[in-house]
Amino acid sequence: DIQMTQSPSSVSASVGDRVTITCRASQGISNWLAWYQQKPGKAPKVLIYAASSLQSGVPSRFSGSGSGTDFTLTISSLQPEDFATYYCQQAYSFPLVFGPGTKVDIK
Amino acid sequence: QVQLQESGPGLVKPSETLSLTCTVSGGSISSYYWSWIRQPPGKGLEWIGYISHSGSTNHNPSLKSRVTISMDSSKNQFSLNLSSVTAADTAVYYCARYGSRRNDIWGQGTMVTVSS
Repeated sequence: DIQMTQSPSSVSASVGDRVTITCRASQGISNWLAWYQQKPGKAPKVLIYAASSLQSGVPSRFSGSGSGTDFTLTISSLQPEDFATYYCQQAYSFPLVFGPGTKVDIK
Repeated sequence: QVQLQESGPGLVKPSETLSLTCTVSGGSISSYYWSWIRQPPGKGLEWIGYISHSGSTNHNPSLKSRVTISMDSSKNQFSLNLSSVTAADTAVYYCARYGSRRNDIWGQGTMVTVSS
């Protein structure tokens, strides 16, 4: 199975900050990576797919980049509603595997 | 718009079978893939498996042969059976639509506790 890691595991940031989260796959997955946001008590919501494609309805302050094994999710200007946990997920092969998550909380 | 809703018992005894159903509304189940994903309390997401619109299935090998996923197109539903459950299977269970390599629509999730 492909293993996914994320860093950092948590980050404290302020409204307006630029936040970057990194995801690494244990082997090359081309650009088959998705990013999800999850708020407490809610289902995850897809933000980015195919590494850099913005899901319909998601604000443009979210962006993704990368290919192969290293990927990045960037929030250009953190908003109050962005405090949440973010997961990457490889979509290259089954079983699908999620990263362990990165919690973004208020500084 | 397409919506998904999980249903099933919230409490299952150890060694018994956990059974959940996901009802799809606002769209047909006869396209896309349909996933089950779970999240133990305070932990991350684990993909359980999928069923395709044609009925083919795939599941996480970590769950060995305990997983069965089926579909009832006439009811626009798909289901999860997880046998021989233990406390480690206690989790929020989500159903989701999988298309273009992402789970783009999710149910709200249902908490299942395994306890005697």
